[in-house]
Amino acid sequence: DQQVKQNSPSLSVQEGRISILNCDYTNSMFDYFLWYKKYPAEGPTFLISISSIKDKNEDGRFTVFLNKSAKHLSLHIVPSQPGDSAVYFCAATFWDKIIFGKGTRLHILP
Amino acid sequence: NAGVTQTPKFQVLKTGQSMTLQCAQDMNHEYMSWYRQDPGMGLRLIHYSVGAGITDQGEVPNGYNVSRSTTEDFPLRLLSAAPSQTSVYFCASSTRQGANYEQYFGPGTRLTVT
Repeated sequence: DQQVKQNSPSLSVQEGRISILNCDYTNSMFDYFLWYKKYPAEGPTFLISISSIKDKNEDGRFTVFLNKSAKHLSLHIVPSQPGDSAVYFCAATFWDKIIFGKGTRLHILP
Repeated sequence: NAGVTQTPKFQVLKTGQSMTLQCAQDMNHEYMSWYRQDPGMGLRLIHYSVGAGITDQGEVPNGYNVSRSTTEDFPLRLLSAAPSQTSVYFCASSTRQGANYEQYFGPGTRLTVT
């Protein structure tokens, strides 16, 4: 049973526009949510996180929103740049475990 | 400061062979883990360790062994390789439970089992 779901395998966005990546989860006990970015042939790199007691966290062009009642979080990238083309993984932590979603491939179009 | 290193980068094994994937980190992180990434499956946790001498199973532990004799090293052993273990393997480390729970990933090992 998938506890962290990224239902969009891919997303294409025009350069300069907003990219919105979505993630749903089922376990209300998760305490932190994180986003990782992955380029081909490299390991994932941490992007931004949010505590389960917050509803928004912002870092430069990246903002993560958490809606606990809907068990949903989203990553907003504004403005989108060519270097943002990558696979984005949503993840959630519970005690010592971290569970990843399947990822969403973001294509930034020129 | 090399971060998380993994060796080898690529490996081809025949069914039934055994091998060890190496992982080392120089950040004095307590928490280390192994993931496999398969197309359409995301990152799945194989085994993890919260400190030297302590290991535990993740989502997909069958066919793999780990040990953690030092803080720095966390090798992953394939006891008898099977084609289903063809995958890209990532090792990661982090402070045990920081506010961000950020994990640092190695560059990966691409394993093919024929």
